[in-house]
Amino acid sequence: EAGVAQSPRYKIIEKRQSVAFWCNPISGHATLYWYQQILGQGPKLLIQFQNNGVVDDSQLPKDRFSAERLKGVDSTLKIQPAKLEDSAVYLCASSKNSGRGDTQYFGPGTRLTVL
Amino acid sequence: AQTVTQSQPEMSVQEAETVTLSCTYDTSESNYYLFWYKQPPSRQMILVIRQEAYKQQNATENRFSVNFQKAAKSFSLKISDSQLGDTAMYFCAFMKQGSGNTGKLIFGQGTTLQVKP
Repeated sequence: EAGVAQSPRYKIIEKRQSVAFWCNPISGHATLYWYQQILGQGPKLLIQFQNNGVVDDSQLPKDRFSAERLKGVDSTLKIQPAKLEDSAVYLCASSKNSGRGDTQYFGPGTRLTVL
Repeated sequence: AQTVTQSQPEMSVQEAETVTLSCTYDTSESNYYLFWYKQPPSRQMILVIRQEAYKQQNATENRFSVNFQKAAKSFSLKISDSQLGDTAMYFCAFMKQGSGNTGKLIFGQGTTLQVKP
């Protein structure tokens, strides 16, 4: 079974530029999560999708971050414009469902550096 | 709001020895799940072990076991017979159970474990 795929693996941009990350979850997984992991900290949930609907985006900085999950499969996370404090690893995870404590499977992450 | 605290930023252990990583959490929920995740230097996070709060029996997975103390809100991870491949950052995480459970994981700050040969 293929795991969660993410691209790119690394990205370096200047502040105020825009950037987009892509995630392909495990086949058949209805729930998709985007986490932000700042160096030295635990991941923090940015947004969660159930199929193509948003379940939780309470910690997403909506003035600059946006995300979509078209057709309930792949997802993209965009930052526009980027700030220095957005430097982090962006992790995508998926699970079969969001309830019952289903195991979340994580991708390798995208390391973003904002200069 | 739930919080998860890992008070040991870094730990080290000799190969083949046993090490215990600490985790405490704060919640007013009665039913929840607790997890330990491992994040090796390659950065892909994988699940090590999970515990359902209503189960009194501590979870075990091969060399990994937990000491779950619900009243104390403590959830420690014991790694027996440590191996070089156990070198990683370990995260303790909390998830609500039941109605209102969206599957959101709340992570602690992590503990970096180095296994020395």
